[in-house]
Amino acid sequence: EVQLLESGGGLVQPGGSLRLSCAASGFTFSSYAMSWVRQAPGKGLEWVSAISGSGGSTYYADSVKGRFTISRDNSKNTLYLQMNSLRAEDTAVYYCAKDQALVVSPAGGMDVWGQGTTVTVSS
Amino acid sequence: QSVLTQPPSASGTPGQRVTISCSGSSSNIGSNYVYWYQQLPGTAPKLLIYRNNQRPSGVPDRFSGSKSGTSASLAISGLRSEDEADYYCAAWDDSLSGPWVFGGGTKLTVL
Repeated sequence: EVQLLESGGGLVQPGGSLRLSCAASGFTFSSYAMSWVRQAPGKGLEWVSAISGSGGSTYYADSVKGRFTISRDNSKNTLYLQMNSLRAEDTAVYYCAKDQALVVSPAGGMDVWGQGTTVTVSS
Repeated sequence: QSVLTQPPSASGTPGQRVTISCSGSSSNIGSNYVYWYQQLPGTAPKLLIYRNNQRPSGVPDRFSGSKSGTSASLAISGLRSEDEADYYCAAWDDSLSGPWVFGGGTKLTVL
């Protein structure tokens, strides 16, 4: 069974940093691109970042570019999101999601989602 | 303001057929696949439709997707109480640096 388990969320002050992790199991992790998607309280889904299966290609939403870094360790079957210079508007549940393809492409799309980890940015 | 436009709400009675629309542009829906996700209250999103009209295994055939031009639709037939959820469309956008865009979501109420 394909499973994704996020961790690392919590309360952080504005300007602070946090690193999210997503442990994957039940599939060949390195064969699939991965994404982070967030959902602010009471709001809709917002795609944040994606990374190819090899880790060689990364993509970011304009709202997080320059502040967030996506990475992966295929030897540990784990996806990461390093979040720096956090703002109140980054408060959300962060989901990791498996793509249907090796590369980030229109023919891929997110097919399996984790349960999410909550990030709260507040003083 | 979401790149893809969905009605904020929809409703139907058990057994009825309902449709949810998703409107975009030539850079997203007009030239790329559309995906649909179901989010039950308090849970993570679940893939319902991929590549415009394909259902993952385990998704009932009561759910169907279609696309025409720069718009797409999700249809749910034989509506059930357990279908009450938020529904989101998504697509790749060629004009943005961050490629995936979502609709604002539609809350479906089963009356």
